[in-house]
Amino acid sequence: DTEVTQTPKHLVMGMTNKKSLKCEQHMGHRAMYWYKQKAKKPPELMFVYSYEKLSINESVPSRFSPECPNSSLLNLHLHALQPEDSALYLCASSQDGTSAYNEQFFGPGTRLTVL
Amino acid sequence: AQKITQTQPGMFVQEKEAVTLDCTYDTSDPSYGLFWYKQPSSGEMIFLIYQGSYDQQNATEGRYSLNFQKARKSANLVISASQLGDSAMYFCAMRGGAGNMLTFGGGTRLMVKP
Repeated sequence: DTEVTQTPKHLVMGMTNKKSLKCEQHMGHRAMYWYKQKAKKPPELMFVYSYEKLSINESVPSRFSPECPNSSLLNLHLHALQPEDSALYLCASSQDGTSAYNEQFFGPGTRLTVL
Repeated sequence: AQKITQTQPGMFVQEKEAVTLDCTYDTSDPSYGLFWYKQPSSGEMIFLIYQGSYDQQNATEGRYSLNFQKARKSANLVISASQLGDSAMYFCAMRGGAGNMLTFGGGTRLMVKP
């Protein structure tokens, strides 16, 4: 099973709302990632979890808060977002976060619109 | 720093013909991985093919092959016998260097004509 699942598929939220994006994988992967992708651009890395610990935060604003409850789950908590945060949010996983030779498998993404 | 360049923003190909999508990279790290992903309009990034920097032979996966020319630092994707379902955005990516993060090129939008 090479599947990464993400919920919800679409999310519309106001700037004062609090919401969460969820990601799950059952491939036994030990590294999980959050990316943000704007239209017609490549994905931009936000966070990396390796063995359930946050290993990389690419200077992401604190209104985005990641959480890794266990090795299969990754959440992204959203609070006080801005309209410019509207984007496709992609979750990915790989066997580990330390090898250049492991492919990352991506989920279908959550399309977020901030009003 | 690593850099991936895809010089073709958009390409057309006739159905059933082969097409080559260009990708060049720049890195000073001797160990790296090269990846191609397909992203249909639905948004999901689909892993297609992988080539390691020490691999002697070009990678192949079904209709996909990777033309790896290490001295020229290129990793072009060849799609044989194009199908209408191949219409999508294609991203070349590299993993290596400090942290082994995945660096993406700007993408090439492929459109297959019937």
